[in-house]
Amino acid sequence: DVKVTQSSRYLVKRTGEKVFLECVQDMDHENMFWYRQDPGLGLRLIYFSYDVKMKEKGDIPEGYSVSREKKERFSLILESASTNQTSMYLCASSLMERTYEQYFGPGTRLTVT
Amino acid sequence: GQSLEQPSEVTAVEGAIVQINCTYQTSGFYGLSWYQQHDGGAPTFLSYNALDGLEETGRFSSFLSRSDSYGYLLLQELQMKDSASYFCAVRDEARNTPLVFGKGTRLSVIA
Repeated sequence: DVKVTQSSRYLVKRTGEKVFLECVQDMDHENMFWYRQDPGLGLRLIYFSYDVKMKEKGDIPEGYSVSREKKERFSLILESASTNQTSMYLCASSLMERTYEQYFGPGTRLTVT
Repeated sequence: GQSLEQPSEVTAVEGAIVQINCTYQTSGFYGLSWYQQHDGGAPTFLSYNALDGLEETGRFSSFLSRSDSYGYLLLQELQMKDSASYFCAVRDEARNTPLVFGKGTRLSVIA
């Protein structure tokens, strides 16, 4: 079974703080993704990575950065958290040729106050 | 541009059949995926259609018509545990993003 884990289920941060969200997958998947999910808006892609040290912008990269130093780990960074970044953050992974079949972690519900 | 349209909510009776439609507009198209997400849970992959026609996996089937830019997810013999949100997703070649998700359809199964 593919397992994708995220560092926290719930996180509360203050405006202006730097926030790190970690994601680890154990199935040697090449692709990793970060989404945010908001009610009525579905899943929106923030960043993705096809390989170590590679990153590509998704639909809503503003205010975020990512890091992929190891194949199994993909980090999402909020350089200076803002209240409009309060959301559910979902990490996913997939095999290189099967981006249509993604495996998701349990999510991190981030609240920025 | 790109857009996916699916109904926001559907209600169906336990034991019945329900169809969740998805229409899409993309500059390039590779295939249509479906995901299920229970409240508080993570999305899980259900099916993928790259070619026209019906794919069946147990009680769930997925259909694609590339010429109509349309697909649907069919759930048979509905069970209470099928109450969840269902998302269609496509890859839009022109945007070079892996998947673009619809906003989801919330299915409520009632007794």
